Amino acid sequence: DSGVTQTPKHLITATGQRVTLRCSPRSGDLSVYWYQQSLDQGLQFLIQYYNGEERAKGNILERFSAQQFPDLHSELNLSSLELGDSALYFCASSAGPYTGELFFGEGSRLTVL
Amino acid sequence: AQSVTQPDIHITVSEGASLELRCNYSYGATPYLFWYVQSPGQGLQLLLKYFSGDTLVQGIKGFEAEFKRSQSSFNLRKPSVHWSDAAEYFCAVEIKGEYIFGTGTRLKVLA
Repeated sequence: DSGVTQTPKHLITATGQRVTLRCSPRSGDLSVYWYQQSLDQGLQFLIQYYNGEERAKGNILERFSAQQFPDLHSELNLSSLELGDSALYFCASSAGPYTGELFFGEGSRLTVL
Repeated sequence: AQSVTQPDIHITVSEGASLELRCNYSYGATPYLFWYVQSPGQGLQLLLKYFSGDTLVQGIKGFEAEFKRSQSSFNLRKPSVHWSDAAEYFCAVEIKGEYIFGTGTRLKVLA
């Protein structure tokens, strides 16, 4: 158990819909990272937050947004969903930048029909 | 741009055989280096990491990795593979707070 909790584990929705994925980092970790894993794209970095502030942005679509709340949990919002958004979305946490390894949650599997 | 290359997409070995998974990175300095393993339906779990010092690092589950600065490589090894090692393995680097992952190597173990 990494200590990182992601909900929901599975989600099935239709094109055009909006979903929210939630992540609770390990106790004490200030940094949260979001990754998308699909068969054809591998593990793609989406966005990183540190103590509530956006710190880095990767290949995140404009239809996607995220935030980190004062209690340090984070949410990834995906809107106007397309078939190609079907993927496994991972959250990871670390104590902070430059502090070593990431701890991953078990992921949220999104299926868009 | 910085990158991590895992040249082998799939590797198949027999149980009990030795294993080496290759990883090369592109960066001017030495980054922090990691190997993660992902079992089906699971998140990524850290196998081992290299920050500095001894270039041969030991990890969990009997894995080790060797950092070779001259080759910009960080190859993962295991002397005797077990059937439970079947999984996908990711090499990663941390550069200035950004984590870059390789595309992964899927390991199949034959009984």
